[in-house]
Amino acid sequence: DAGITQSPRHKVTETGTPVTLRCHQTENHRYMYWYRQDPGHGLRLIHYSYGVKDTDKGEVSDGYSVSRSKTEDFLLTLESATSSQTSVYFCAINSGVGGPYGYTFGSGTRLTVV
Amino acid sequence: DQQVKQNSPSLSVQEGRISILNCDYTNSMFDYFLWYKKYPAEGPTFLISISSIKDKNEDGRFTVFLNKSAKHLSLHIVPSQPGDSAVYFCAASEKGGATNKLIFGTGTLLAVQP
Repeated sequence: DAGITQSPRHKVTETGTPVTLRCHQTENHRYMYWYRQDPGHGLRLIHYSYGVKDTDKGEVSDGYSVSRSKTEDFLLTLESATSSQTSVYFCAINSGVGGPYGYTFGSGTRLTVV
Repeated sequence: DQQVKQNSPSLSVQEGRISILNCDYTNSMFDYFLWYKKYPAEGPTFLISISSIKDKNEDGRFTVFLNKSAKHLSLHIVPSQPGDSAVYFCAASEKGGATNKLIFGTGTLLAVQP
């Protein structure tokens, strides 16, 4: 399996503060994605990247920005955290596990905004 | 608009019996479908997939059926085991998509009772 790690695993932050979540992969997969998981909504795409400095918005991108300065790192930033951004965040890579569109996911970051 | 729908938020079955998880989609351009399994505090992991050129794919106790005319797929687990208790996500990818994005359903929580 492709190595993919997320940090931190847990984070509690205050409303209005900036927060950055990190996703790191150990293989040179081109595509990387950030999803959030919420009850009743499943996994929703926030942003994705198709190469270094190449990123685009997903379906729930408002309030989030991303950066990818190196192939192995994909950062998700909440510019000013709000309570509605309390969620579990998953990073994924298009690793090909399960077919050409298959993903490998990180273990997730549980973010609480108080 | 939810393009991939899992209308059963939860399902409870007895150990040894069959579990059937359902998924419906609306986008006729979807041509590859995957099922992911997710345990608490872990990231989703790939379970089984199917291409739109097939109507069935089997892997051990897991079988996925695809009915393109009805835009419906189902995951059968036979026999069900307590270790199968998890959240199951259905996902779909669009033919010719340049970004390899997966669209996920809302998930079904399966509980297998001993």
